[in-house]
Amino acid sequence: DTEVTQTPKHLVMGMTNKKSLKCEQHMGHRAMYWYKQKAKKPPELMFVYSYEKLSINESVPSRFSPECPNSSLLNLHLHALQPEDSALYLCASSQEWDRGNSPLHFGNGTRLTVT
Amino acid sequence: GQSLEQPSEVTAVEGAIVQINCTYQTSGFYGLSWYQQHDGGAPTFLSYNGLDGLEETGRFSSFLSRSDSYGYLLLQELQMKDSASYFCAVPGWKLTGGGNKLTFGTGTQLKVEL
Repeated sequence: DTEVTQTPKHLVMGMTNKKSLKCEQHMGHRAMYWYKQKAKKPPELMFVYSYEKLSINESVPSRFSPECPNSSLLNLHLHALQPEDSALYLCASSQEWDRGNSPLHFGNGTRLTVT
Repeated sequence: GQSLEQPSEVTAVEGAIVQINCTYQTSGFYGLSWYQQHDGGAPTFLSYNGLDGLEETGRFSSFLSRSDSYGYLLLQELQMKDSASYFCAVPGWKLTGGGNKLTFGTGTQLKVEL
């Protein structure tokens, strides 16, 4: 079990659907992250929130829309996705945003399949 | 940009010692981290080297040489449960706004055999 909880664990959606991924942490961490991971590949950074403000957007297509309602929650809204967007979506948090030795704590991810 | 290269696969027997290498090219350097990820699981933090030298945490050790842009993860007394993917990673952040832009290496699949 991890201290970062992601729901749902699995999601299958059509290209015209709208869905949301949810992430929650209660460790008091002030930075939260979305990563995308394809099979046999490293996680790739999508977004970073620091103190509930969007800090980094790695040129992610607008069909992915992040939201940070409060310091414990992070959402990723999905709309009009493509089959190539099928992947494992990982949420993470860290206590500090500006220290290299502040590790990221990852959730188990949502495995998304776009049909 | 950031580039971190690792061997794609390493195989070793239970009880042995294995070393997983990582060479990097980065714009700015703030240390090297290692993460473990079992199939279907979350990446979990193993270690961090901010300075040159060896850091030891139980059966795992990590080494960094900044002058060589090189680091490695050393796993001793291998166990079957150590079969997983291992990623080196470098942190980075914007000068304003915050957020640790952690970039992962290509990853090494470790297989431990009986």
